[in-house]
Amino acid sequence: AQTVTQSQPEMSVQEAETVTLSCTYDTSENNYYLFWYKQPPSRQMILVIRQEAYKQQNATENRFSVNFQKAAKSFSLKISDSQLGDTAMYFCAFGGIQGAQKLVFGQGTRLTINP
Amino acid sequence: DAGVIQSPRHEVTEMGQEVTLRCKPISGHNSLFWYRQTMMRGLELLIYFNNNVPIDDSGMPEDRFSAKMPNASFSTLKIQPSEPRDSAVYFCASRDPFNYGYTFGSGTRLTVV
Repeated sequence: AQTVTQSQPEMSVQEAETVTLSCTYDTSENNYYLFWYKQPPSRQMILVIRQEAYKQQNATENRFSVNFQKAAKSFSLKISDSQLGDTAMYFCAFGGIQGAQKLVFGQGTRLTINP
Repeated sequence: DAGVIQSPRHEVTEMGQEVTLRCKPISGHNSLFWYRQTMMRGLELLIYFNNNVPIDDSGMPEDRFSAKMPNASFSTLKIQPSEPRDSAVYFCASRDPFNYGYTFGSGTRLTVV
């Protein structure tokens, strides 16, 4: 079964700083998707960025980028020039393609951006 | 597209009552997922459907929980009888079969008193 681990329950940085959130996962599948979701106090689950395992190039979306290390089963999220609106819970998730095609979440990291 | 629509947004009920949560997935998405979120257990997958057929219900806590998907545009999650420990936020999500993108509804906050 797939598992996702986020080892940082909470993080706090100053506005405009860069912050990196860690995520590791375990799977025997060769092709899959990885996701980062943001959940602000409104509780809406918002997709931040996604990575396809067969693509070697790391995904980027404006200030958000990932460091995907397939062999190490590591998928970290980097937020550059952090903004107050980035304050939220961040969840790393694994999505299978073959077999059990379900989205498995990590425990989440509570990120606070301080003014 | 209106996205994944869940109702109600909030539900307060008394212990022992039946509760029904509803979800309308995005048109064209062929997989639907029900998740429960609590502080203690995080986001747990309860059940998911593929083409309206339940594929994996191993996350359903007990027989008090049941889920149905009578057609491609509607699903329900029912709790009967409800208990205070069922208090949580319940999310529904659907998946695009072409790009494996998951879209979540706004969730239903259930409080059982």
